[in-house]
Amino acid sequence: AQSVAQPEDQVNVAEGNPLTVKCTYSVSGNPYLFWYVQYPNRGLQFLLKYITGDNLVKGSYGFEAEFNKSQTSFHLKKPSALVSDSALYFCAVREGDNNNDMRFGAGTRLTVKP
Amino acid sequence: DSGVTQTPKHLITATGQRVTLRCSPRSGDLSVYWYQQSLDQGLQFLIQYYNGEERAKGNILERFSAQQFPDLHSELNLSSLELGDSALYFCASSSRVRSSGNTIYFGEGSWLTVV
Repeated sequence: AQSVAQPEDQVNVAEGNPLTVKCTYSVSGNPYLFWYVQYPNRGLQFLLKYITGDNLVKGSYGFEAEFNKSQTSFHLKKPSALVSDSALYFCAVREGDNNNDMRFGAGTRLTVKP
Repeated sequence: DSGVTQTPKHLITATGQRVTLRCSPRSGDLSVYWYQQSLDQGLQFLIQYYNGEERAKGNILERFSAQQFPDLHSELNLSSLELGDSALYFCASSSRVRSSGNTIYFGEGSWLTVV
């Protein structure tokens, strides 16, 4: 079965610095990878996804992620962090060509300090 | 606003009771998913329905059940509630096309507190 791992529970960065939130995945077929963000007391909001094609995916709020098949990674990045980016970030994966369930990582709490 | 509507937003109930959480998917979406989010176990997939039929099952307890109705809304029934069932329950939906590339969109969740 598909799975994802987010190796860092917490990431702290200073405002204006680049940020990276890490994600690695495990699938036996083709991976479909997603990033979501959750603000306090809110539902998860979709940021971006990788389906096929260009390994660099651009999404909402200036975020991007790079799909690396050899390292089975899909790290989330942003060139310049904002305080308002502070939230809980989830990586998720689906496997194969059926519309089956999406599995989420444990989440990484990003704190951007002024 | 994702277009996925969940009710109630907050619910407090006693141990041993039964509750029903309701979800209306985005217009046109055929797939509905239920997830449980708790502090100690993160975001856990419970169950998925596609056009009224159960499609995938995750870590759903036997005390929990769900269904999707002909109008595509879904209900998650939680019975014999325990303190450990206190969590945020999310419903999510995805579009009618059967593809793993489909984005799923989450509702705002139903906060369940069991006392």
